[in-house]
Amino acid sequence: AQSVTQLGSHVSVSEGALVLLRCNYSSSVPPYLFWYVQYPNQGLQLLLKYTSAATLVKGINGFEAEFKKSETSFHLTKPSAHMSDAAEYFCAVSGQVGFQKLVFGTGTRLLVSP
Amino acid sequence: DVKVTQSSRYLVKRTGEKVFLECVQDMDHENMFWYRQDPGLGLRLIYFSYDVKMKEKGDIPEGYSVSREKKERFSLILESASTNQTSMYLCASSPGTGSQPQHFGDGTRLSIL
Repeated sequence: AQSVTQLGSHVSVSEGALVLLRCNYSSSVPPYLFWYVQYPNQGLQLLLKYTSAATLVKGINGFEAEFKKSETSFHLTKPSAHMSDAAEYFCAVSGQVGFQKLVFGTGTRLLVSP
Repeated sequence: DVKVTQSSRYLVKRTGEKVFLECVQDMDHENMFWYRQDPGLGLRLIYFSYDVKMKEKGDIPEGYSVSREKKERFSLILESASTNQTSMYLCASSPGTGSQPQHFGDGTRLSIL
């Protein structure tokens, strides 16, 4: 069984500041991990994914995430926030073998102030 | 680009009605999914399908059914709509293996009055 915990339902940053969105996972098997972003009135869009090739994963729009097995974490970071980054972010986990469902966290809304 | 199209962006129905939500994908994906999204609860899986005519219950299937008669189309059916089914419904599709991400439609915001 898998689960994801996203710490903080809302995160507020100033434009230009570091963005850090936290995700901890639980999985009884080696996981795949994903970050998705949802802009208002839209579906989810993939930001990046960890599939065991490299622990530091770079995604779109300047985001990256690091898989840390010892901490069971997959935190999302961006060095400098833009106003356009304001959205809701979801972390998700699945297993690696065969057909696997995605299990989503409850989401973190990122607010960016000028 | 993969396109997942949901037939309606907004839908208003009455309690007790039978409601159909339609989803079509254009990339020949094997897997299709229906989720509902509620504030503070994230996305919860209702049903999924890994092949034509195949369906599996997700985490919250009660009050819902699905149909997949063609590979590209996956329908969600609310047999007798109730107010607690007011929600955002998201359809997604993915290729066969687990490492491939799911591609999402823009969602249907359903209100049951």
